[in-house]
Order: sequence, then C-alpha cells, then structure tokens
Amino acid sequence: KQEVTQIPAALSVPEGENLVLNCSFTDSAIYNLQWFRQDPGKGLTSLLLIQSSQREQTSGRLNASLDKSSGRSTLYIAASQPGDSATYLCAVKSPPSNTGKLIFGQGTTLQVKP
Amino acid sequence: NAGVTQTPKFRVLKTGQSMTLLCAQDMNHEYMYWYRQDPGMGLRLIHYSVGEGTTAKGEVPDGYNVSRLKKQNFLLGLESAAPSQTSVYFCASSYNHERGATDTQYFGPGTRLTVL
Repeated sequence: KQEVTQIPAALSVPEGENLVLNCSFTDSAIYNLQWFRQDPGKGLTSLLLIQSSQREQTSGRLNASLDKSSGRSTLYIAASQPGDSATYLCAVKSPPSNTGKLIFGQGTTLQVKP
Repeated sequence: NAGVTQTPKFRVLKTGQSMTLLCAQDMNHEYMYWYRQDPGMGLRLIHYSVGEGTTAKGEVPDGYNVSRLKKQNFLLGLESAAPSQTSVYFCASSYNHERGATDTQYFGPGTRLTVL
C-alpha cells in the first residue's frame, strides 16, 4: 500500500531564505508526483507535476525534484516571501492508472516571516 | 470558467440528519473525486467517478453515498450524519486516464461540515 510522508510538519523561516520541503513515498511504482499549495480555508492549487520519467520541474522560484528509486521528492523555494506562507502537500499517482487516484501526504505548513 | 464549485460552503448538522453536498465542474472532465481533510490526516479519498453514471469507493467510503447523473455534477450524500463526519470536504476533477502521467486534479474551495 502506497504511503506518503512529509517532513517537517511545520516550518518557519525569515523572508529571503531558500528552503526545501521533503516528501517520501514507499512504493516507487508511480505515474507522477504532484506538489499542491493550500491557503487557509481554501482548496488546493497544483504547483508542479513531475512525471515518473522526469527528474525535476521548475516554475518561477519553485523547483521540484523526483528520485523514484529512493522514493523521495523535494520542493525547493528560492528567496522565500511572506506570500509563500501556506500548507504544501505532495501527492503521488500510482497504478492502476484508470482510477486517477492520488495518495496525499499530511502536508508541511510554511510560515515566512517578514 | 468557474472551474470546480462546491455548495454549500458551510453547514452544521445534528447527529442523524441527512444532507447532500453538490460539486460542479465546467471543464468537461471525465473524472471527479470527493475527499475529506482532517487535521493531521491529509486528504483521504471517499468516492470517485471515472465517468457519467459510474461511481467507485475510495479509501474511506463508509457512511457516504455518491451519484454522478450528469458529467458536470458529482453529489456526496450523508444519510445519517455522525460527529465523526465533521470535516472539510473537497471535490476535485481531472482529465481521463489516457493522460495518466500528465493530468492534474483541480480542486473546489471546500465545504466545512460540523456534526453536533
């Protein structure tokens, strides 16, 4: 059974710092891994999707990497800003593909202090 | 496009009452999902649908029923609400599985349900 873990559960950093969020999964047979952002009281917004054949994806100040063999992904946020404060969730899509189901980690709540 | 919308945004029920949560999407997505989010538990899949007229159980289906009579709508029903069903409920939709490696899910804003 696929399990997804995110460490740490919470993180507080000063503005401008570069930071890394971690995600690990137990079964390397995945189709993709996604990082989502959730603001308080809001739904989830997709940030980056990495296909199983890819090593990384970049969007602006965000860079996500994927190492299937070790069951790990990282989300790198460069030059953090207070507006980056939110909960970040990773999720994996595993076989069978005809369900589209995602398995989520518990999330890392990030606070960026001005 | 409105994307994924959910009705209602908030609801308070008494134990034993019933209610239906409505999810609507205007992106012509085949797949739709209902999740619940509880503190420290992440998002857990309740039920999902791979097309109009089809539904299937997810990770935590007990106490819930669903229907997908129209492609754009996915209803989640609680027949006899229990305090353990106090949670935030999210609906999501996505393209079909033929894009399995590249499709992402689009989420609604959530429904905060309290069962007393």
